[in-house]
Amino acid sequence: DTAVSQTPKYLVTQMGNDKSIKCEQNLGHDTMYWYKQDSKKFLKIMFSYNNKELIINETVPNRFSPKSPDKAHLNLHINSLELGDSAVYFCASSQDNRGLSPLHFGNGTRLTVT
Amino acid sequence: AQTVTQSQPEMSVQEAETVTLSCTYDTSESDYYLFWYKQPPSRQMILVIRQEAYKQQNATENRFSVNFQKAAKSFSLKISDSQLGDAAMYFCAYSSYNQGGKLIFGQGTELSVKP
Repeated sequence: DTAVSQTPKYLVTQMGNDKSIKCEQNLGHDTMYWYKQDSKKFLKIMFSYNNKELIINETVPNRFSPKSPDKAHLNLHINSLELGDSAVYFCASSQDNRGLSPLHFGNGTRLTVT
Repeated sequence: AQTVTQSQPEMSVQEAETVTLSCTYDTSESDYYLFWYKQPPSRQMILVIRQEAYKQQNATENRFSVNFQKAAKSFSLKISDSQLGDAAMYFCAYSSYNQGGKLIFGQGTELSVKP
């Protein structure tokens, strides 16, 4: 059983398109995150939700919109894709947002914008 | 703002030998948590070890141990008896209650293991 699963694994699309990445966790965790890993492998937080409530929004362009229909799901929708959006996007979850609980990551979605 | 620095972009170790990966961080908080994550070529992020700042004892997990120096804000990872499967990107990360649980990552260290 995959603890944190995200789909699709790979996403190739053209500039200007809109795309979504889905994430689900079956760990019963309260907190979910989206991270972006750039071409130099640097990982940076984008968003976090705790029990469906937006907790962190780290200066991400408005084209990125997270949605959490319930605490087990956190989807990422991206409008008007740009070349610079090409990266690996990781979904993660943790038991709570107090810092001690380790994050459990999905396997990432490699987004390529052409 | 909290920052995490890994000054070794690449490291290499002979199989069965020991290697130490360096990590320093900057924070004004007194209560926080530190982690090492491993990312093999499969891209999966795997927790290696974690340390709570209020604990003086260094964390260990089998062949992996840390040297946590709170005053120096240093958190190095030692891998003993290195195995081919240890080859991966290693990330040091910081978290705290004030950070809402998010991890702040270092730049990563690419570890290669020579047979």
